[in-house]
Amino acid sequence: TQLLEQSPQFLSIQEGENLTVYCNSSSVFSSLQWYRQEPGEGPVLLVTVVTGGEVKKLKRLTFQFGDARKDSSLHITAAQPGDTGLYLCAGDKTAGGTSYGKLTFGQGTILTVHP
Amino acid sequence: DTGVSQDPRHKITKRGQNVTFRCDPISEHNRLYWYRQTLGQGPEFLTYFQNEAQLEKSRLLSDRFSAERPKGSFSTLEIQRTEQGDSAMYLCASSTTGSRGNTIYFGEGSWLTVV
Repeated sequence: TQLLEQSPQFLSIQEGENLTVYCNSSSVFSSLQWYRQEPGEGPVLLVTVVTGGEVKKLKRLTFQFGDARKDSSLHITAAQPGDTGLYLCAGDKTAGGTSYGKLTFGQGTILTVHP
Repeated sequence: DTGVSQDPRHKITKRGQNVTFRCDPISEHNRLYWYRQTLGQGPEFLTYFQNEAQLEKSRLLSDRFSAERPKGSFSTLEIQRTEQGDSAMYLCASSTTGSRGNTIYFGEGSWLTVV
């Protein structure tokens, strides 16, 4: 059972367009991580958000953690063909301040940016 | 290269054969995780170790699967009597003992195809 729902599952856009990927859950997570994965490779960490309402920027990528720590979004400005890939969100839970380290992943968003 | 390394990267095996995958984590990381990922899905947690102790196993890990981390460094994941449904990418990841926002780093994965 997927506890994290990502939308959309597929996104095909032209170079220069903006896009937003959403990650929603009914569960509260202590932190949420966003990964990018290329075909045949392992996920590569983009960012970790920890505090409700937190916003982090990584060049043209903006990540936000919901106030209630149940949802997150990834916004890409002026997408480029090099942004093409599978984007995964993953939530982590803690007990007594210690991370389980057992991530729950969304099913991913396949982004294709056409030149 | 000081990242998580996995071997072999690809394995094709006949149904009923045994296979073993090896993972070498980042050297100062005492936590090691195994995940499984099938096409079109996000990774699913299988098991994790803190040092040499296996602390949690998913119900996805049937009795044909066994994981070890004998000296708290590298780990092996063995699948006995492979079935076609075992075909997937097996991902290893590592981290330090978690505080909130603990970052988990993934290897490049080991692709298994059971024919």
